[in-house]
Parts: sequence; C-alpha cells; structure tokens
Amino acid sequence: EPEVTQTPSHQVTQMGQEVILRCVPISNHLYFYWYRQILGQKVEFLVSFYNNEISEKSEIFDDQFSVERPDGSNFTLKIRSTKLEDSAMYFCASSEAVAVEFFGPGTRLTVL
Amino acid sequence: DQQVKQNSPSLSVQEGRISILNCDYTNSMFDYFLWYKKYPAEGPTFLISISSIKDKNEDGRFTVFLNKSAKHLSLHIVPSQPGDSAVYFCAASRRGSQGGKLIFGQGTELSVKP
Repeated sequence: EPEVTQTPSHQVTQMGQEVILRCVPISNHLYFYWYRQILGQKVEFLVSFYNNEISEKSEIFDDQFSVERPDGSNFTLKIRSTKLEDSAMYFCASSEAVAVEFFGPGTRLTVL
Repeated sequence: DQQVKQNSPSLSVQEGRISILNCDYTNSMFDYFLWYKKYPAEGPTFLISISSIKDKNEDGRFTVFLNKSAKHLSLHIVPSQPGDSAVYFCAASRRGSQGGKLIFGQGTELSVKP
C-alpha cells in the first residue's frame, strides 16, 4: 500500500540553525501539506502546496519557513533559523484531491 | 482557534461494547469531516470521512454520524476491540477552498479494556 515517508525520524538542532525536513508523498498525489503538533497540543496546519506553489499558509508559517518540491518526488520544509518553540512533531501529508489527506510518520524536531 | 472541539479528552470502554466519540464544530462553511486514529510516535491514520450532504457513513465497525443543524459529528465503533486503543482526532475542511487544510480537534484518547 502506498504511503507517505518522512526523513529523518528525529532531528536535534541548536537554536538559530537551519533544518530541512524531507517528505516523499504518495506518487500520484497532487496536493501536499505540512502540519505540526507541539507536545500536548492539537495537530496544526502549516502550509498547503499545489501546482508548484503555496496555496494556503497559516499564521505560524512566517518568513522563517519555506517549502519546496525540488524534483518529482520530494517535498521539503525548511526552517531557516530555528527557535525553541519550533520543537514539535512535523507531519507531511498528501492527497489526490482536496479531500482525504494521508499522513507520514512524522519528524520529531528538538531545538536546544 | 477552537473551530473544532472534542470535549472528552479520554474514554474507557469494555471490549465488545460500543465506543462513541464526539466532535463539535463552529464553522458552518466546513463541508467535509474526517476521523483519524493516532498511535504515539506515529502519524494520523485516516479512518472514515463524511461529506456534509450526508448524515451517515459506515465502513465495517466504524460509522460516522453528522448532525449539521447541531454542528456535531460522532464516531461509533462497534464492537470495540483492544487494538482500537489510540487517540482519535476529528478534522474538518472546506473542500471548495484551494488549500484544503484540515482543522483538527484536540483528540480523545480511547482505551478499550479486555
């Protein structure tokens, strides 16, 4: 069964450093998303991406964040200068249409 | 952002009985609702969904009911099994919007006792 994959599973970084979280969405899907879940809180939408551009982003997704689909398979989330409050589980998701989104296993980001 | 609320943080049910998880929403523009199941250290797994034009959708042991006038949906699991123990999230979206983002509730932790 096709699935969304994410790497790394755990990333530890120092405050102020740049991190890139990587995702391989399901191959025939056209819509791509990043969500995050801070420990003990709800899953929050960050950004959606369609047709090689951002279609919607939340207030969390400020200038420190960017997304890219560098080739036909990868979808990345970059945080330019990490803050302590960026520590969270980051989930990538993809969907065939604007309907059911399938999630990856997540990357746990720890900012020290 | 409290557009989607799950007021019960936890629920404990005996194996074989019915589990009923509830979810309320405030935004009448939502037209698609989903339930996800999540184990610790894993991503949410899609369970079942319902469009706002329906009031019920069934898939095996899982049934979702939608009451649009009350802005309420529920997930019924019958019969409940110990393997169903997990955190359940409801989510809502507006399929007409270009972004298609999901708004999640806080989750309900279901524990099914053997």
